[in-house]
This record gives sequence, C-alpha cells and structure tokens, in this order.
Amino acid sequence: DQQVKQNSPSLSVQEGRISILNCDYTNSMFDYFLWYKKYPAEGPTFLISISSIKDKNEDGRFTVFLNKSAKHLSLHIVPSQPGDSAVYFCAAWGSARQLTFGSGTQLTVLP
Amino acid sequence: DAGVIQSPRHEVTEMGQEVTLRCKPISGHDYLFWYRQTMMRGLELLIYFNNNVPIDDSGMPEDRFSAKMPNASFSTLKIQPSEPRDSAVYFCASSRPRAYGYTFGSGTRLTVV
Repeated sequence: DQQVKQNSPSLSVQEGRISILNCDYTNSMFDYFLWYKKYPAEGPTFLISISSIKDKNEDGRFTVFLNKSAKHLSLHIVPSQPGDSAVYFCAAWGSARQLTFGSGTQLTVLP
Repeated sequence: DAGVIQSPRHEVTEMGQEVTLRCKPISGHDYLFWYRQTMMRGLELLIYFNNNVPIDDSGMPEDRFSAKMPNASFSTLKIQPSEPRDSAVYFCASSRPRAYGYTFGSGTRLTVV
C-alpha cells in the first residue's frame, strides 16, 4: 500500500502560468516532507522541503503548502518556465530512517 | 565533491545472466540507499545501510537480489539470475547523519532481454 500518493502522472502548463503539483499521504507519523525534481538521465535532486510544524515554505518561484488535517501537500511553481519540465517526486520522512517517495508527476511547461 | 557515483550508466544483459551495479557514496555520508524506479511504482526503496550495515532489506523483491557494502566508500547491488521484469533504472543515494535529504547518483538503466 502506497503511503505517499501522487495521483496525477502528468501535468501540462503554459509558460508563465502557475503549476500546482499535488501529493497525499496516509501515515500520520510523517513529520517532514520534501519535493525532488528529476530530469531525464539524471538522479532526483532536492528542491524544497517543509516541516510538519509549518503550513507553508517558500523559496523563490517554489512554494510548498502542507495541510496536515487533510494529509495533503502541494508544490506551486510561479511563474512556470520551460526549464521546470521534469518529473517531480513528493517524499515523506517518518519514524523509520528513510524517505518514502510517491510515484512522481511529469510536468511539461509549454512555451 | 564528485557526488554519488554509479556504474555502469547503462547495462543490457540477457535473461539469466548475473548483473552487478556499483555505487560510491559521498565521503562522510553514513547512510546508503538503493532505489528502483519504475513507471508503475515510482521510486521504491530496495535496501539501505547505516555505517556499512544493512538495516532494512524488506524492499528487495526476491532472493535473486542481494546487496553488500564492504566499506564506507563502495556498495554493490547484484541480481542473479536476471529477468526481463528487472528492467528499470536503479538509483543509489547517500545522506549525512541526521540529514533529511538524500543525494542521488545518476542511476543505472538496466535492460534485461
């Protein structure tokens, strides 16, 4: 059973618009969440994170929102750029010393 | 720092052959993880080590898979015998003590024909 779910395998957005990537989790013990970005033929790289004691974390064009009651987090990219086209993985950290990843969302930003 | 180094980048092998994937973690990172990426399941954790000791191998699909970490700078993931359903991208990652994020290697794309 997947504890971290990304229900949208793909998303297309026009350049300059907002991209919103969603992630749901089931384990209430998760206390830290991360987003990773992956380009083809490369490994995932860390993008942004948020602690469960916060509901928002911002870094430039990237903002992550956490709704603990709904067990939901989202990544907003504003404005979206063609270079943002990649696979985005949501990941969660729990009591075990390991990250649990979602299945990923392929974002395509159209010029 | 050269980052996490994986070899080979690509591997094509015939069904039934032994395959060995290699990983060199970042110096000073005491955790090492092996992941497999597939379309259906995304990034699956196969096994992880702490200070060269395997901690959790519950993600290893079956006995055909084995992993070792003989020292702090080297780990292998072996599949024997390989099967077509093992075709995937295999990633190695490492992390510092008490760090929340991992650093991933570039992966090994394995194709079993």
